[in-house]
Amino acid sequence: SYELTQPPSVSVSPGQTARITCSGDALPKKYAYWYQQKSGQAPVLVIYEDSKRPSGIPERFSGSSSGTMATLTISGAQVEDEADYYCYSTDSSGNLVVFGGGTKLTVL
Amino acid sequence: EVQLVESGGGLVKPGGSLRLSCAASGFTFSNAWMSWVRQAPGKGLEWVGRIKSKTDGGTTDYAAPVKGRFTISRDDSKNTLYLQMNSLKTEDTAVYYCWVVVDYGMDVWGQGTTVTVSS
Repeated sequence: SYELTQPPSVSVSPGQTARITCSGDALPKKYAYWYQQKSGQAPVLVIYEDSKRPSGIPERFSGSSSGTMATLTISGAQVEDEADYYCYSTDSSGNLVVFGGGTKLTVL
Repeated sequence: EVQLVESGGGLVKPGGSLRLSCAASGFTFSNAWMSWVRQAPGKGLEWVGRIKSKTDGGTTDYAAPVKGRFTISRDDSKNTLYLQMNSLKTEDTAVYYCWVVVDYGMDVWGQGTTVTVSS
């Protein structure tokens, strides 16, 4: 079955740039999406279609994709950005949705 | 306001069944592809399955762990999505979310309903 692979954790100091990666064989042909989930809350979409930012999401959140890897970048990470981040995409058929395992971002 | 409200969660014994519902409002439900996503305690998000709109065929797709045990259906006259869960296992214990993408860059999640499978 298709999988998306993320690092379990990333840690940065406030003001530094955090980069979270997501790798998958179908990513050259399928969009990646990124969610932020804080404890006890529903996920919030922060990046869609590889690099687009939904309305209301701060400009410090950006996304890119190259080959089999998509990257979420948080430029100048803030303490309030501490959360779990999940990428998701579809398999090559487009029929199955897959979430990455999630990355816990620590900002301290 | 676009809203999804799940219901039907609870405690069930292994091997049992449960049906979850998701009431939708604020968008054209009949045109939407609707999904269920679950999150086990302390774990990540896991896509359960999806049903397409009837105009797109109304077909369903499921993740491997639930295929053959879970069934997603919809009642467009009631703006309601369902998840019928049979042959439940302890590993199905999770918060179950209803999820829809309503437009580019805009999606909606319900508040979730908790399913606990335990003897």
